[in-house]
Amino acid sequence: DIQMTQSPSSLSASIGGRVTITCRASQSINSYLNWYQQKPRKAPKLLIYAASILQSGVPSRFSGSGSGTDFTLTISSLQPEDFATYSCQQSYSTPLTFGGGTKVEIK
Amino acid sequence: EVQLVESGGGLVQPGGSLRLSCAASGFTFSTYWMTWVRQAPGKGLEWVANIKPDGSEKFYVDSVKGRFTISRDNAKNSLYLQMNSLRAEDTAVYYCAILLNYALDYWGQGTLVTVSS
Repeated sequence: DIQMTQSPSSLSASIGGRVTITCRASQSINSYLNWYQQKPRKAPKLLIYAASILQSGVPSRFSGSGSGTDFTLTISSLQPEDFATYSCQQSYSTPLTFGGGTKVEIK
Repeated sequence: EVQLVESGGGLVQPGGSLRLSCAASGFTFSTYWMTWVRQAPGKGLEWVANIKPDGSEKFYVDSVKGRFTISRDNAKNSLYLQMNSLRAEDTAVYYCAILLNYALDYWGQGTLVTVSS
């Protein structure tokens, strides 16, 4: 199974600040990497697929990069509605696996 | 508008069974891979199972193989998860989701399954 390791597990940031979350796969997954946002008691929402393609309707302050084993999700200017938990997920092979999540909190 | 509505969750004793349903609307259900994902209380997301559009291929996480069965009825636009021999560690919110472009494109609101005596 492919293990997905996210860091950090949590972070505090200010409104308008830049946030970077990393995700590392235990083996190469090419660009089969997706990012999700989840707010408390809500279903996850797809933000980015194929490592860098922004899902329709997602603000352009979100961006993704990387390939192979190392990936990054960046929020360029944090907004109040962005405080949530972010998870990466590989779709290179089954079992599909998720990172442990990064909780973004208000500083 | 795409809608996925899960139902069938509840409290069940260890060793018991439960059947989850996911009613789909707003898209051509019969042409999409579908997925079940679960989330234990306070924990991360865990993929459970996938099913091909025509139901001919199914994939499961090892921890549920032999106990859970994913199925679909394209005539009823519905996805199912039959869960047998339930364990405490199966306690979670179960989500159905559409698999598109190798990503979980849209999710339902989830249904809570609690396995406890």
